[in-house]
Amino acid sequence: EIVLTQSPATLSLSPGERATLSCRASQSVSSYLAWYQQKPGQAPRLLIYDASNRATGIPARFSGSGSGTDFTLTISSLEPEDFAVYHCQHRSNWPWTFGQGTKVEVK
Amino acid sequence: QITLKESGPTLVKPTQTLTLTCTFSGFSLSTSGVGVGWIRQPPGKALEWLALIFWDDDKRYSPSLKSRLTITKDTSKNQVVLTMTNMDPVDTATYYCAHPTYGDTHWGQGTLVTVSS
Repeated sequence: EIVLTQSPATLSLSPGERATLSCRASQSVSSYLAWYQQKPGQAPRLLIYDASNRATGIPARFSGSGSGTDFTLTISSLEPEDFAVYHCQHRSNWPWTFGQGTKVEVK
Repeated sequence: QITLKESGPTLVKPTQTLTLTCTFSGFSLSTSGVGVGWIRQPPGKALEWLALIFWDDDKRYSPSLKSRLTITKDTSKNQVVLTMTNMDPVDTATYYCAHPTYGDTHWGQGTLVTVSS
C-alpha cells in the first residue's frame, strides 16, 4: 500500500499570501495524483487531477506540480474561501490512498 | 447531472453489521469503465477508500478491511450496497459514496454512522 505524507499539517497564512502544500508518496505514483479541498461538513471537492490538471471550474490560482513521489499544490494568492483542509490522493494502483490532510488556516 | 446519495442507519451497535446503500443518477453502472465506491472519514481524521465496484462486477477492497466488507450493485435500481460486518466504535465515521471518473470524482453528501452501545 502506498503511503502519502502531507506537509505541513497546518499552514497559517493571511489572505493574499501564497500557499505551498506538499504530498510525498512512499513509492512512485507516476502522475496519478489528485488534490481535494474539503470544508467543514462538506464532501471533498476535486481541484487537481493527474498531478497538474485543474478540474472543471477550479480557479487558476490553484496549480499542481510534480511526478513520481513528490507533489506540490500551490495557491498563488489566498482568497477567504480557500481556508480549508486539502487532501492528496493517488490512483496509481489499488488501494487508492489519501494523505492525512493539510489545514490552511487564517493567521 | 450526476448525483449520489447515501442511505442507511445512523447508529449501529458494536458487533452488528452495517448496510449502506448508494442511490445514484446521471450515469449507468452498465456502461464500460464505470465504477462506484465507498470512502469513509472518521471525525477529524483522514479519508479512506473502502471498496470499489465496476461495470463488469470487478470489485476492489481495502486490504485491511477486506474480510469485513462486501460491495454489490443493482444496475436496474442504480444502486450500490456496502456491507461491513462486526462494527466497532473505531468505525464511527462519515461514509461517502463516490463515482470516480477521469478528471473528476463525484461524491455523495455523506452519512455519519456512529457505533455505540
